[in-house]
Amino acid sequence: EPEVTQTPSHQVTQMGQEVILRCVPISNHLYFYWYRQILGQKVEFLVSFYNNEISEKSEIFDDQFSVERPDGSNFTLKIRSTKLEDSAMYFCASRPTGTSGISGTGELFFGEGSRLTVL
Amino acid sequence: GNSVTQMEGPVTLSEEAFLTINCTYTATGYPSLFWYVQYPGEGLQLLLKATKADDKGSNKGFEATYRKETTSFHLEKGSVQVSDSAVYFCALWTGGFKTIFGAGTRLFVKA
Repeated sequence: EPEVTQTPSHQVTQMGQEVILRCVPISNHLYFYWYRQILGQKVEFLVSFYNNEISEKSEIFDDQFSVERPDGSNFTLKIRSTKLEDSAMYFCASRPTGTSGISGTGELFFGEGSRLTVL
Repeated sequence: GNSVTQMEGPVTLSEEAFLTINCTYTATGYPSLFWYVQYPGEGLQLLLKATKADDKGSNKGFEATYRKETTSFHLEKGSVQVSDSAVYFCALWTGGFKTIFGAGTRLFVKA
């Protein structure tokens, strides 16, 4: 069964360093997302990406964050200068379209997450 | 704005007990509603969904009914197992680019 894959599974970095988290969405999906989860609790929306551009972003997704789809398969989240409060589990998700058009069913397919620890 | 409110946990039950996790929502339009489950050390996965009022989603013995009049989508299971121990998230989607999640409810099931 197709799945979303994320790398690395765990990254430890020093405050102020740049981090890139990588995701390979399911191949025929067209909508891509990053969410984060702090301390195993609330799942917070960061950004959605469609048609090679950001379609929506949250207040959390400030100038320190960026996303890119550098080729036909990878979807990356970059944090330019990490802060202690960026420590979290970051989940990539993708969504297919439905047969009825652009909206689809809304089901998200999640990867297993990348745990980021900022020291 | 759109939001999801679910009961706080943790919820601790004995095996074979009845489970209810409450979820209510606020949304403009006609959202689709979902329950996702997160097992320890894993990502979220869809448990069940309902796309319109009075729909009942069901899967693995869990079920939830989309109640428009009470704006609710409570998750129920008649007899829980130890393997059901996980965090459960209620979520809504209004057809745009964002799915909104509730805060999650952690369930512990004791043998």
